[in-house]
Amino acid sequence: DGGITQSPKYLFRKEGQNVTLSCEQNLNHDAMYWYRQDPGQGLRLIYYSQIVNDFQKGDIAEGYSVSREKKESFPLTVTSAQKNPTAFYLCASSINRDNQPQHFGDGTRLSIL
Amino acid sequence: SQQGEEDPQALSIQEGENATMNCSYKTSINNLQWYRQNSGRGLVHLILIRSNEREKHSGRLRVTLDTSKKSSSLLITASRAADTASYFCATDKSSNTGKLIFGQGTTLQVKP
Repeated sequence: DGGITQSPKYLFRKEGQNVTLSCEQNLNHDAMYWYRQDPGQGLRLIYYSQIVNDFQKGDIAEGYSVSREKKESFPLTVTSAQKNPTAFYLCASSINRDNQPQHFGDGTRLSIL
Repeated sequence: SQQGEEDPQALSIQEGENATMNCSYKTSINNLQWYRQNSGRGLVHLILIRSNEREKHSGRLRVTLDTSKKSSSLLITASRAADTASYFCATDKSSNTGKLIFGQGTTLQVKP
């Protein structure tokens, strides 16, 4: 079955530590996205990538970094510069950038130790 | 600023009743999408309605779009306990960037 896999499901970060969230898709989609969701809130866009080896900042990119070396993979690193990283992180993909429906993974919940 | 704003924030109904959620937005759009999110899970796409469409149906779901009022509504008919979830509208911008802007969602509880 095609889909998006996010791992791990739960992640804990120590002070001053960088952590990386994995996102893999086998849908052959060109575009991939990372969102942050805080309790009771909607989704805010962190980074997005419309094609391999290219990505753009979203609305809340500070303290985060991404790479897109392969079509299937779009990992997100939460750096120590992100002072309030506790949130639910969602990865999504779509066929292309032409405003098509997005397919979501089941998220990673990040907490501070 | 939020492009999509849902109303109400929370809704509680009995099984079998209809549920209506509204979404308002600020700028021109190519399309508007509705998504569902079960607690602790990712979002699932429900319906996409284009700016030149006024109404769309999918099973028990009916979506309307009024571009003059910059608003959309999602109607779930004959609701079931399994419809309990949060529902989000998402809008693009006319520039075809692929970026979606999500509202804060409506939390629906359907009581058996």
